[in-house]
Amino acid sequence: DTEVTQTPKHLVMGMTNKKSLKCEQHMGHRAMYWYKQKAKKPPELMFVYSYEKLSINESVPSRFSPECPNSSLLNLHLHALQPEDSALYLCASSKASSGYNEQFFGPGTRLTVL
Amino acid sequence: DAKTTQPNSMESNEEEPVHLPCNHSTISGTDYIHWYRQLPSQGPEYVIHGLTSNVNNRMASLAIAEDRKSSTLILHRATLRDAAVYYCILRLHNTDKLIFGTGTRLQVFP
Repeated sequence: DTEVTQTPKHLVMGMTNKKSLKCEQHMGHRAMYWYKQKAKKPPELMFVYSYEKLSINESVPSRFSPECPNSSLLNLHLHALQPEDSALYLCASSKASSGYNEQFFGPGTRLTVL
Repeated sequence: DAKTTQPNSMESNEEEPVHLPCNHSTISGTDYIHWYRQLPSQGPEYVIHGLTSNVNNRMASLAIAEDRKSSTLILHRATLRDAAVYYCILRLHNTDKLIFGTGTRLQVFP
């Protein structure tokens, strides 16, 4: 199984809602990532978990809250988002922290904030 | 973080070779050169990576300049399915970060 799955595929939420994005992999990877991608722009790194610990937070606003309950699962909790947070949210995983390990990406969750 | 520079777009005909250039003049000795591509409505997909020597795999070849300040991704025979945005990325040896550049949008014509 070389797949990263993300649910839901699409999400529409209001600015006062609380929702969560889910990402799962069963490749035994110990590093997992959240990226944000706006239309026609490259992905931007948000968070990195290494061995289930948050290792990188790219100064992301606190309305985005990541969680890694176990080595296979990564969540992104959303609260009080703004319309400008509408984007494609991509999850990725890799074997470990190393410059030569490839990252496997999921298909993304397309988020619309009204 | 070190940066990469790529042309915004390129075109190719089907079954022709494609050479996608990337400049990375600020590369350091421990930076790996990675290439990913993103097909429409999909997440990015790993293509190839290298450090100093040229690399080949089933998808593509990576040619790295001797001074490592530039590299070229080579698709030997483009197909319609190769139409995508191709990202050239530098990644430090001991870091989890992939910092994407703006990428090259490749169009392939029948």
